[in-house]
Amino acid sequence: DAKTTQPPSMDCAEGRAANLPCNHSTISGNEYVYWYRQIHSQGPQYIIHGLKNNETNEMASLIITEDRKSSTLILPHATLRDTAVYYCIVRVAGGGGADGLTFGKGTHLIIQP
Amino acid sequence: NAGVTQTPKFRILKIGQSMTLQCTQDMNHNYMYWYRQDPGMGLKLIYYSVGAGITDKGEVPNGYNVSRSTTEDFPLRLELAAPSQTSVYFCASSYMAGSLDTQYFGPGTRLTVL
Repeated sequence: DAKTTQPPSMDCAEGRAANLPCNHSTISGNEYVYWYRQIHSQGPQYIIHGLKNNETNEMASLIITEDRKSSTLILPHATLRDTAVYYCIVRVAGGGGADGLTFGKGTHLIIQP
Repeated sequence: NAGVTQTPKFRILKIGQSMTLQCTQDMNHNYMYWYRQDPGMGLKLIYYSVGAGITDKGEVPNGYNVSRSTTEDFPLRLELAAPSQTSVYFCASSYMAGSLDTQYFGPGTRLTVL
Protein backbone atom coordinates (compact mmCIF):
# COMPACT_ATOMS: atom_id res chain seq x y z
CA ASP A 1 0.00 0.00 0.00
CA ALA A 2 2.58 2.52 -1.22
CA LYS A 3 1.73 6.15 -0.59
CA THR A 4 4.42 7.44 -2.94
CA THR A 5 5.88 6.42 -6.28
CA GLN A 6 9.41 7.32 -7.32
CA PRO A 7 11.63 6.23 -10.23
CA PRO A 8 14.14 3.64 -9.06
CA SER A 9 17.16 5.49 -10.45
CA MET A 10 18.26 8.71 -12.14
CA ASP A 11 21.49 10.18 -13.46
CA CYS A 12 22.53 13.82 -13.40
CA ALA A 13 25.68 15.62 -14.53
CA GLU A 14 27.75 17.33 -11.88
CA GLY A 15 26.96 21.05 -11.63
CA ARG A 16 23.52 20.67 -13.19
CA ALA A 17 20.19 20.78 -11.37
CA ALA A 18 18.86 17.39 -10.27
CA ASN A 19 15.08 17.12 -10.40
CA LEU A 20 13.63 14.17 -8.53
CA PRO A 21 9.91 13.47 -9.05
CA CYS A 22 7.47 11.88 -6.64
CA ASN A 23 3.84 10.93 -7.14
CA HIS A 24 1.52 10.92 -4.13
CA SER A 25 -1.94 10.91 -5.68
CA THR A 26 -3.73 9.75 -2.50
CA ILE A 27 -2.26 12.39 -0.21
CA SER A 28 -4.64 13.72 2.42
CA GLY A 29 -5.21 17.38 3.21
CA ASN A 30 -3.25 17.23 6.47
CA GLU A 31 -0.30 15.23 5.13
CA TYR A 32 3.06 16.81 4.44
CA VAL A 33 5.60 15.77 1.84
CA TYR A 34 9.00 15.00 3.36
CA TRP A 35 12.27 14.25 1.61
CA TYR A 36 15.16 12.36 3.16
CA ARG A 37 18.29 11.00 1.57
CA GLN A 38 20.66 8.19 2.48
CA ILE A 39 24.25 8.31 1.38
CA HIS A 40 25.78 4.85 1.10
CA SER A 41 26.20 3.11 4.47
CA GLN A 42 25.02 6.15 6.44
CA GLY A 43 21.83 6.95 8.31
CA PRO A 44 19.10 8.87 6.46
CA GLN A 45 19.36 12.66 6.46
CA TYR A 46 16.44 15.10 6.44
CA ILE A 47 16.37 17.43 3.44
CA ILE A 48 13.13 19.40 3.34
CA HIS A 49 9.36 19.17 3.79
CA GLY A 50 6.26 21.09 2.76
CA LEU A 51 2.47 21.08 2.85
CA LYS A 52 1.32 22.96 -0.25
CA ASN A 53 3.57 25.93 -0.79
CA ASN A 54 6.94 25.62 -2.46
CA GLU A 55 9.79 25.48 0.01
CA THR A 56 13.50 26.24 -0.20
CA ASN A 57 16.35 25.77 2.22
CA GLU A 58 20.13 25.62 2.00
CA MET A 59 20.05 22.08 0.62
CA ALA A 60 17.19 22.00 -1.88
CA SER A 61 13.89 23.30 -3.19
CA LEU A 62 10.57 21.47 -3.03
CA ILE A 63 7.94 22.15 -5.68
CA ILE A 64 4.44 20.78 -4.93
CA THR A 65 1.78 20.83 -7.64
CA GLU A 66 -1.39 22.77 -7.00
CA ASP A 67 -3.47 19.59 -6.64
CA ARG A 68 -0.74 18.22 -4.32
CA LYS A 69 -0.70 14.89 -6.14
CA SER A 70 2.96 15.15 -7.06
CA SER A 71 6.11 17.01 -6.12
CA THR A 72 9.68 17.56 -7.29
CA LEU A 73 12.80 17.86 -5.22
CA ILE A 74 15.40 20.11 -6.84
CA LEU A 75 19.09 20.05 -6.00
CA PRO A 76 20.19 23.23 -7.79
CA HIS A 77 23.87 22.46 -8.39
CA ALA A 78 24.45 18.76 -7.90
CA THR A 79 27.86 17.57 -6.69
CA LEU A 80 29.33 14.09 -6.49
CA ARG A 81 28.50 14.08 -2.77
CA ASP A 82 24.81 14.26 -3.65
CA THR A 83 24.93 10.68 -4.96
CA ALA A 84 22.48 8.91 -2.64
CA VAL A 85 19.09 7.27 -2.38
CA TYR A 86 16.36 9.90 -2.04
CA TYR A 87 13.14 9.06 -0.24
CA CYS A 88 9.85 10.88 -0.69
CA ILE A 89 7.53 10.34 2.30
CA VAL A 90 4.05 11.61 3.03
CA ARG A 91 2.80 11.80 6.60
CA VAL A 92 0.92 13.94 9.04
CA ALA A 93 3.37 16.37 10.62
CA GLY A 94 3.50 15.89 14.35
CA GLY A 95 2.04 12.43 13.95
CA GLY A 96 5.00 11.47 16.06
CA GLY A 97 5.52 7.86 16.83
CA ALA A 98 2.18 6.53 15.62
CA ASP A 99 3.85 5.04 12.59
CA GLY A 100 7.26 6.65 12.33
CA LEU A 101 8.45 7.27 8.80
CA THR A 102 7.44 4.90 6.02
CA PHE A 103 10.39 4.46 3.69
CA GLY A 104 9.91 2.92 0.26
CA LYS A 105 12.79 2.04 -2.04
CA GLY A 106 13.41 5.64 -3.09
CA THR A 107 15.32 6.97 -6.08
CA HIS A 108 18.99 6.19 -6.45
CA LEU A 109 20.45 9.45 -7.79
CA ILE A 110 23.86 9.09 -9.39
CA ILE A 111 25.81 12.27 -10.09
CA GLN A 112 28.14 11.82 -13.04
CA PRO A 113 31.45 13.75 -13.20
CA ASN B 1 26.26 18.17 19.99
CA ALA B 2 27.07 14.60 19.05
CA GLY B 3 23.50 14.07 17.82
CA VAL B 4 22.45 10.41 17.77
CA THR B 5 25.15 7.88 18.57
CA GLN B 6 24.94 4.10 18.22
CA THR B 7 27.14 1.30 19.44
CA PRO B 8 28.49 -1.05 18.32
CA LYS B 9 29.10 -0.23 14.64
CA PHE B 10 29.40 -3.89 13.66
CA ARG B 11 28.53 -7.16 15.36
CA ILE B 12 28.41 -10.83 14.42
CA LEU B 13 26.17 -13.07 16.51
CA LYS B 14 25.57 -16.78 16.54
CA ILE B 15 22.01 -18.11 16.34
CA GLY B 16 20.38 -17.99 19.76
CA GLN B 17 22.74 -15.42 21.25
CA SER B 18 21.45 -12.16 22.67
CA MET B 19 22.71 -8.61 22.56
CA THR B 20 21.75 -5.01 23.17
CA LEU B 21 22.16 -2.28 20.59
CA GLN B 22 22.79 1.04 22.29
CA CYS B 23 21.37 4.40 21.17
CA THR B 24 21.92 7.79 22.81
CA GLN B 25 20.86 11.28 21.77
CA ASP B 26 21.95 14.59 23.29
CA MET B 27 19.34 16.84 21.70
CA ASN B 28 16.73 16.44 24.47
CA HIS B 29 14.30 14.93 21.98
CA ASN B 30 11.12 13.33 23.28
CA TYR B 31 10.65 10.83 20.47
CA MET B 32 13.03 8.00 19.64
CA TYR B 33 12.78 5.22 17.07
CA TRP B 34 14.42 1.99 16.00
CA TYR B 35 14.41 0.98 12.34
CA ARG B 36 15.91 -1.92 10.46
CA GLN B 37 17.04 -1.85 6.85
CA ASP B 38 17.50 -5.03 4.85
CA PRO B 39 19.73 -4.96 1.74
CA GLY B 40 18.23 -2.91 -1.10
CA MET B 41 15.14 -2.03 0.89
CA GLY B 42 13.76 0.96 2.73
CA LEU B 43 13.66 1.26 6.51
CA LYS B 44 11.05 -0.48 8.63
CA LEU B 45 10.02 0.72 12.08
CA ILE B 46 10.65 -1.76 14.91
CA TYR B 47 9.75 0.19 18.06
CA TYR B 48 9.34 3.77 19.08
CA SER B 49 9.09 5.82 22.28
CA VAL B 50 7.28 9.09 22.91
CA GLY B 51 9.12 9.77 26.16
CA ALA B 52 10.84 8.16 29.12
CA GLY B 53 8.89 5.15 30.34
CA ILE B 54 6.68 4.93 27.24
CA THR B 55 7.32 2.59 24.32
CA ASP B 56 5.21 1.06 21.59
CA LYS B 57 5.49 -1.40 18.72
CA GLY B 58 6.14 -0.43 15.15
CA GLU B 59 5.73 -2.48 11.99
CA VAL B 60 8.20 -5.32 12.74
CA PRO B 61 8.57 -5.73 16.56
CA ASN B 62 8.80 -9.54 16.80
CA GLY B 63 12.10 -10.75 18.24
CA TYR B 64 12.98 -7.39 19.81
CA ASN B 65 12.45 -5.56 23.07
CA VAL B 66 13.10 -1.96 24.09
CA SER B 67 13.15 0.18 27.19
CA ARG B 68 13.31 3.93 27.77
CA SER B 69 14.39 4.78 31.30
CA THR B 70 15.87 8.17 30.39
CA THR B 71 15.24 10.79 27.73
CA GLU B 72 18.69 10.22 26.26
CA ASP B 73 18.86 6.42 25.91
CA PHE B 74 16.80 3.92 23.95
CA PRO B 75 18.44 0.47 23.84
CA LEU B 76 17.18 -2.32 21.56
CA ARG B 77 17.43 -5.87 22.85
CA LEU B 78 17.64 -9.04 20.74
CA GLU B 79 16.97 -12.04 22.96
CA LEU B 80 17.36 -15.06 20.66
CA ALA B 81 19.16 -13.97 17.53
CA ALA B 82 17.98 -15.49 14.24
CA PRO B 83 19.44 -15.21 10.71
CA SER B 84 16.35 -13.18 9.71
CA GLN B 85 17.58 -10.43 12.03
CA THR B 86 20.67 -9.86 9.91
CA SER B 87 20.24 -6.23 8.96
CA VAL B 88 21.41 -2.68 9.52
CA TYR B 89 19.76 -1.06 12.52
CA PHE B 90 19.21 2.68 12.73
CA CYS B 91 18.17 4.68 15.74
CA ALA B 92 16.54 8.08 15.29
CA SER B 93 15.13 10.87 17.42
CA SER B 94 12.84 13.83 16.92
CA TYR B 95 11.51 16.74 18.94
CA MET B 96 8.00 16.38 17.53
CA ALA B 97 6.27 19.70 17.67
CA GLY B 98 3.89 20.52 14.87
CA SER B 99 5.74 20.47 11.59
CA LEU B 100 9.13 20.38 13.31
CA ASP B 101 9.31 16.62 13.76
CA THR B 102 12.20 15.94 11.44
CA GLN B 103 14.02 12.82 12.48
CA TYR B 104 17.75 12.68 13.12
CA PHE B 105 19.41 9.35 12.49
CA GLY B 106 22.44 7.65 13.95
CA PRO B 107 25.15 6.00 11.83
CA GLY B 108 23.71 2.51 12.19
CA THR B 109 24.73 -0.88 13.58
CA ARG B 110 25.48 -3.63 11.06
CA LEU B 111 24.42 -6.96 12.54
CA THR B 112 25.09 -10.40 11.06
CA VAL B 113 23.55 -13.53 12.59
CA LEU B 114 25.19 -16.79 11.57
